[in-house]
Amino acid sequence: DTEVTQTPKHLVMGMTNKKSLKCEQHMGHRAMYWYKQKAKKPPELMFVYSYEKLSINESVPSRFSPECPNSSLLNLHLHALQPEDSALYLCASSQGDRANEQFFGPGTRLTVL
Amino acid sequence: SQQGEEDPQALSIQEGENATMNCSYKTSINNLQWYRQNSGRGLVHLILIRSNEREKHSGRLRVTLDTSKKSSSLLITASRAADTASYFCATAALYGNNRLAFGKGNQVVVIP
Repeated sequence: DTEVTQTPKHLVMGMTNKKSLKCEQHMGHRAMYWYKQKAKKPPELMFVYSYEKLSINESVPSRFSPECPNSSLLNLHLHALQPEDSALYLCASSQGDRANEQFFGPGTRLTVL
Repeated sequence: SQQGEEDPQALSIQEGENATMNCSYKTSINNLQWYRQNSGRGLVHLILIRSNEREKHSGRLRVTLDTSKKSSSLLITASRAADTASYFCATAALYGNNRLAFGKGNQVVVIP
């Protein structure tokens, strides 16, 4: 299985809602990533988990809260988001923890009203 | 911080033609990678070239790397309509961690 899956595909939420994005991979990868991508822009790194521990937080606002329950799962908990947080949220994974190719999921299209 | 950065151009070519796009970066790298993204979807890894390599091929793709100029190029030969996508280069720092620095991306449109 060489696939990264993400759910949901689309999410619309109000600024007072709490929601979660989910990501799963079964490739045995030990590094997992969250990216945010705005239209016509490159992906922006948000968080990196390496061996289930948070290794990089790119100064992301606390309204985004990542969680890595086990080596196959990655969640992104959302609370009190702003309309400018609307974007495509991409999950990725890679083997090991250095400089390897990353496998991306299809993304969750998030709209904050 | 290092930053893969393509020349910000949009290419529109006829099917069968070749498409070339460039990428420049600023610091020492472990490797440079190219990714493709179809509209609104996830990125797909195309090819990885290490800092000690100068050229690499994969099917219709040819990547070159010039570390003295801190630049790379991606050539797609005999383009097809299905090659229509955004293409991003991404650099992995020489002494860095998992972080990839993505360039701005090139939009390629292949006209059937």
